[in-house]
Amino acid sequence: DIQMTQSPSSLSASVGDRVTITCQASQDISNYLNWYQQKPGKAPKLLIYDASNLETGVPSRFSGSGSGTDFTFTISSLQPEDIATYYCQQYDNPPGFTFGPGTKVDIK
Amino acid sequence: QVQLQESGPGLVKPSGTLSLTCAVSGGSISSSNWWSWVRQPPGKGLEWIGEIYHSGSTNYNPSLKSRVTISVDKSKNQFSLKLSSVTAADTAVYYCARGKGIAARGAFDYWGQGTLVTVSS
Repeated sequence: DIQMTQSPSSLSASVGDRVTITCQASQDISNYLNWYQQKPGKAPKLLIYDASNLETGVPSRFSGSGSGTDFTFTISSLQPEDIATYYCQQYDNPPGFTFGPGTKVDIK
Repeated sequence: QVQLQESGPGLVKPSGTLSLTCAVSGGSISSSNWWSWVRQPPGKGLEWIGEIYHSGSTNYNPSLKSRVTISVDKSKNQFSLKLSSVTAADTAVYYCARGKGIAARGAFDYWGQGTLVTVSS
């Protein structure tokens, strides 16, 4: 099974700050890596797919990069509405699309 | 606009079978998409359960494979989940979701609102 790790597990930042979350896969997953945003009581929302592709309708302050085993998710200028938990997820091949443990982002 | 809606009992007895249905509207379940179930125990992270294609092909999470069955009903434009021999550890919010496309089958672009299933006697 492919295991996913994320860091940090939580962070506090000020409005306007650049926020970076990293995700690491236990083996090479090429670019089969997605990022989701989940707000309390809501379903996850796809933000980035295939490591770096911005989902339609998602603000451009969100971006992703990486390939192989190491990936980065960035919010270029944190906004109050970005308060959420962010998950990475690999889908290199079924079975076993695994999610990272999540990073909780809040405002300082 | 594709919409997904989960339905089913909110309470299941231990050792029983959890059964949920996901109704798809605004699009066809026979489109070039895989359809998945994902769950989230209260206060915890996300776990992929399995997926199905309209042809009936399925893939399951190895950790749940022995207890999971996902099926599709094209006439009703819906797909279903059955999880047998449930325990309290299966208590979770269950989501259905659509894979973005054949090339990005594991990128879930549409989700249901989720339904809480509690396993308790």
